[in-house]
Amino acid sequence: DIQLTQSPSFLSASVGDRVTITCRASQGISSSLAWYQQKPGKAPKVLIYAAFTLQSGVPSRFSGSGSGTEFTLTISSLQPEDFATYYCQQVNSYPLTFGGGTKVEIK
Amino acid sequence: DVQLLQSGGGLVQPGGSLRLSCAASGFTFSDSSMQWVRQAPGKGLEWVSAITSSGDSASYAASVKGRFTISRDNSKNTLNLQMNSLRVEDTAVYYCASGGVSARKFDPWGQGTLVTVSS
Repeated sequence: DIQLTQSPSFLSASVGDRVTITCRASQGISSSLAWYQQKPGKAPKVLIYAAFTLQSGVPSRFSGSGSGTEFTLTISSLQPEDFATYYCQQVNSYPLTFGGGTKVEIK
Repeated sequence: DVQLLQSGGGLVQPGGSLRLSCAASGFTFSDSSMQWVRQAPGKGLEWVSAITSSGDSASYAASVKGRFTISRDNSKNTLNLQMNSLRVEDTAVYYCASGGVSARKFDPWGQGTLVTVSS
């Protein structure tokens, strides 16, 4: 199975900050990685897929990069509505797996 | 609107059974692979099961293989998850979602339904 390691697991930041979350895969997955945002009591929402493709309707302050085993999600200027938990997911092969999550909280 | 509406769930004793359903609307259900994902209280996301668009092939996480069965009815735009021999550790919010390897994402997601396994 492909393991995904997200870092950090917790992040404290201020409105306007640039935030970067990293996701490392235990083996190469090409560009088969998606990023999700989840708020308490809600279903996850896709932000980025195929490593760097912005999902329709998602603000352009979100961006993704990487391929192979190392990926990043960047929020260029953190907004109040961005405080949430973020997950990466590999969609290269079954069993599909998620990273452990990164909780972004207000400093 | 593209939507997945879930039903089922609730409280069940260890060893019991439960069936979850997910009704799709607003997209071509029969063209989409479908998924189940769960989230234990306070924990991260765990992929549970997948089924191809035609329903001819399914995949399961090791933690549920042999106990859970995924199925779909393309004539009714409905996805199901039959859960047998439930364990305390199966307690979670269960989400259905459209997508998979070909789509490279899960979208949309259902609203989630809570399954509690407890005596």
